Amino acid sequence: DAKTTQPPSMDCAEGRAANLPCNHSTISGNEYVYWYRQIHSQGPQYIIHGLKNNETNEMASLIITEDRKSSTLILPHATLRDTAVYYCIVRTGANNLFFGTGTRLTVIP
Amino acid sequence: DVKVTQSSRYLVKRTGEKVFLECVQDMDHENMFWYRQDPGLGLRLIYFSYDVKMKEKGDIPEGYSVSREKKERFSLILESASTNQTSMYLCASKQGVNQPQHFGDGTRLSIL
Repeated sequence: DAKTTQPPSMDCAEGRAANLPCNHSTISGNEYVYWYRQIHSQGPQYIIHGLKNNETNEMASLIITEDRKSSTLILPHATLRDTAVYYCIVRTGANNLFFGTGTRLTVIP
Repeated sequence: DVKVTQSSRYLVKRTGEKVFLECVQDMDHENMFWYRQDPGLGLRLIYFSYDVKMKEKGDIPEGYSVSREKKERFSLILESASTNQTSMYLCASKQGVNQPQHFGDGTRLSIL
């Protein structure tokens, strides 16, 4: 499975867009990119996933570069409730998820 | 929305007890999973099931067993609880091959 690299922490002002990057330079052609977040003491929450096209849902947008070696999760209008650890995962089949250290996003009032 | 419900948020048991953790999903998903999450070790897969009465070992099955008698319910059993099984236990479910897993809120289990 492809390894992912994320910055350990980021801050974002409330109401602004939060852009969380993820590098996955060893991704293979059939591996999907999944994003989850985890708020302290709760289970991971699925956000979005994609293969090669950009995706958008009610929570976020996922931008995958054309060479698929990196992606960006965009929270368009961050709120205080978006403060969490965000995990980028690259997998085929998504049976055994490996959560790395993720990015701790802090939304500042 | 997918709903994965774990029976307890917090549980305290004694060494040697048999412990049952229950998980129910309401989306008719084929696949269900049990993980444990520990600081510094991330998520580790214990067991998963791809159909009723079917199960597969994950990375750390020792000391655990599972039961899936109905499609919506997946139970994790600690046969004889030990202190090193103190952890956060997470249940998840998903439908198709590349579909995402959806998690419950977790059970924080303490073995004294």
